[in-house]
Amino acid sequence: YVLTQPPSVSVAPGKTATITCGGNNIGSKSVHWYQQKPGQAPVLVMYDVDDRPSGIPERFSGSNSGNTATLSISRVEAGDEADYYCQVWDSSSDQGVFGGGTKLTVL
Amino acid sequence: EVQLVESGGGLIKPGGSLRLSCAASGFIFTTYTMNWVRQAPGKGLEWVSSISGSSSFIYYGDSVKGRFTISRDNAKNSLYLQMNNLRTEDSAVYYCARDNGYNSGDYWGQGTLVTVSS
Repeated sequence: YVLTQPPSVSVAPGKTATITCGGNNIGSKSVHWYQQKPGQAPVLVMYDVDDRPSGIPERFSGSNSGNTATLSISRVEAGDEADYYCQVWDSSSDQGVFGGGTKLTVL
Repeated sequence: EVQLVESGGGLIKPGGSLRLSCAASGFIFTTYTMNWVRQAPGKGLEWVSSISGSSSFIYYGDSVKGRFTISRDNAKNSLYLQMNNLRTEDSAVYYCARDNGYNSGDYWGQGTLVTVSS
């Protein structure tokens, strides 16, 4: 199972960033999102499509339909600049799968 | 406070073996599925392996199947990854991550670096 993410997304501070994750019928899967800053371990920012772990701001939201899952970050701040990865569990192969990652740049 | 601390990384020649460990604390270890995820230098995340709390369910990624073995010792709150027949492409930072029950990692260690080179 393959997950496809755009390599990069740029957004101005205060605007909304949208990061997509494409996969065959991904709308039927539980999608998770991680944020990773340079030199740090990944941090879970969204799980099961649209659930936020404690401590993650409400500015982060998720959706999933058809062949595309989306992580949206509203009122983007400089501190949101990071790599973002989507992830699913592929039950047909019993394997975890990550997208290639998207580098979010705050202009 | 949940803590995961990996150890055991280092420089190893191709074809060699290495055993990684992950010491867990701050939660009831036996009730959680645990994962290994790796990241090659400058590359993205790659899921490696998962093991359920009782070790009843074990899964591997295609790139490591038959060479790597995941295990755990619930009495010691520890997770392991035995890596055999290592290849240069196995060079990466290896993270252990706790599964939150949704097949996602809610807590991660800081990782241990494995370098496979002659």
